[in-house]
Amino acid sequence: QSVLTQPPSASGTPGQTVTISCSGSRSNIRRNPVNWYQQLPGSAPKLLIYTNNQRPSGVPDRFSDSKSDSSASLAISGLQSEDEGDYYCAVWDDSRNGWVFGGGTKLTVL
Amino acid sequence: EVQLVESGGGLVQPGRSLRLSCAASGFTFDDYAMHWVRQAPGKGLEWVSGISWNSGTSGYADSVKGRFTISRDNAKNSLYLQMNSLRPEDTAFYFCARGQYSTTFGDIWGLGTLVTVS
Repeated sequence: QSVLTQPPSASGTPGQTVTISCSGSRSNIRRNPVNWYQQLPGSAPKLLIYTNNQRPSGVPDRFSDSKSDSSASLAISGLQSEDEGDYYCAVWDDSRNGWVFGGGTKLTVL
Repeated sequence: EVQLVESGGGLVQPGRSLRLSCAASGFTFDDYAMHWVRQAPGKGLEWVSGISWNSGTSGYADSVKGRFTISRDNAKNSLYLQMNSLRPEDTAFYFCARGQYSTTFGDIWGLGTLVTVS
């Protein structure tokens, strides 16, 4: 059972916008910035979004996030086949004094 | 090229120990905190441990606290994870990742090393 709750799966067709949610609590998401990671099959994770919707160099602006109270969401617009993979949210938890991850969402591009 | 390379994984019996290493290159190692994250086969990501740039602060997931010890040698650009009293549930790919201690991490990841406890 993960500390952060994500839907196990999501799907969309090319060009659509897909949103993946991440639900936490006052000790983590409410207080701290959320990171989002993409993991393509057979690869190491890749940082997509960090600290209030910032993207590392090379990550397209099709990826964006938002936060409200103790929940966060990752939006992927203009969905492409290469976006298919697993997506994870993570955040520092002040109660645990450590990082916590969501269980991951498997994105399928139909 | 900025790179992290893990080593030290393998097959180990329950109750035994293993030490993982992560060699960093292409960046100023002591500018960054470092983390270990693991992924059991077919499962999600789990943060294991993190250490600040100067080793002054470190933390552990409850699942490994008291059994695993993180350390680093900035002179050798290396990160370590000493794993004692290993359990079958510790079986996973172990990744090292660069970042800050408690705000963000993972702009660079290694490819991982597989630890099998059986």
